[in-house]
Amino acid sequence: SYELIQTPSVSVSPGQTARISCSGERLDDKYVCWYQQKPGQSPLLVIYQDDKRPSGIPERFSGSNSGNTATLTISGTQAVDEADYYCQAWDMSIVFFGGGTKLTV
Amino acid sequence: QVQVVESGGGLVKPGGSLRLSCATSGFSFSDFYMTWVRQAPGKGLEWVSYITMSGSYTFYADSVKGRATISRDNGKNSVYLQMNSLSAEDTGVYYCVRTAALAAAGTWYHYMDVWGKGTTITVSS
Repeated sequence: SYELIQTPSVSVSPGQTARISCSGERLDDKYVCWYQQKPGQSPLLVIYQDDKRPSGIPERFSGSNSGNTATLTISGTQAVDEADYYCQAWDMSIVFFGGGTKLTV
Repeated sequence: QVQVVESGGGLVKPGGSLRLSCATSGFSFSDFYMTWVRQAPGKGLEWVSYITMSGSYTFYADSVKGRATISRDNGKNSVYLQMNSLSAEDTGVYYCVRTAALAAAGTWYHYMDVWGKGTTITVSS
């Protein structure tokens, strides 16, 4: 069964660039989404189709997907960005989530 | 306003059953897949099941296959999840999620763009 691996935690200072990675076999053959979840809240879609931002998501959020690794990049990270982030992909009609990365700002 | 509202969670004994409901509004329901995602306390997101636009196709995670049944009523803009033979491992928040399925460059892509607040299933004796 397919697996998405995320680093459990990432820490950045305010204003720095945060990079959260998600690895999976031939991941660039699939489209990757990223979700942000703050404590006590439902997840929020922040990136879809590897690098597209939904309406209302700040431009500081960007995504890329190459080879076996997809990356969520947050430029000029703000305290409000502190949250858990999950990558997600579809493989053979099955949905997979990464284990999540806790971003500390 | 686009809304997705889950209901039907509760406390159930091991081996019991529950039927979750998800009422939606503010969008063309039959144009979207619908997905259930759950989250055990303090854990990550786990996909449970999804159903295609017409309801013709359903897919399940191995962890619930044979115990869960997803269905939808496009006339009522609602989706349901019947969960049977519940165990402690099924405890968690269950989210109903609107899921877009689109074609581009000869392939499909999907994304879950509207999440409900969730309903909680607690399995305990």
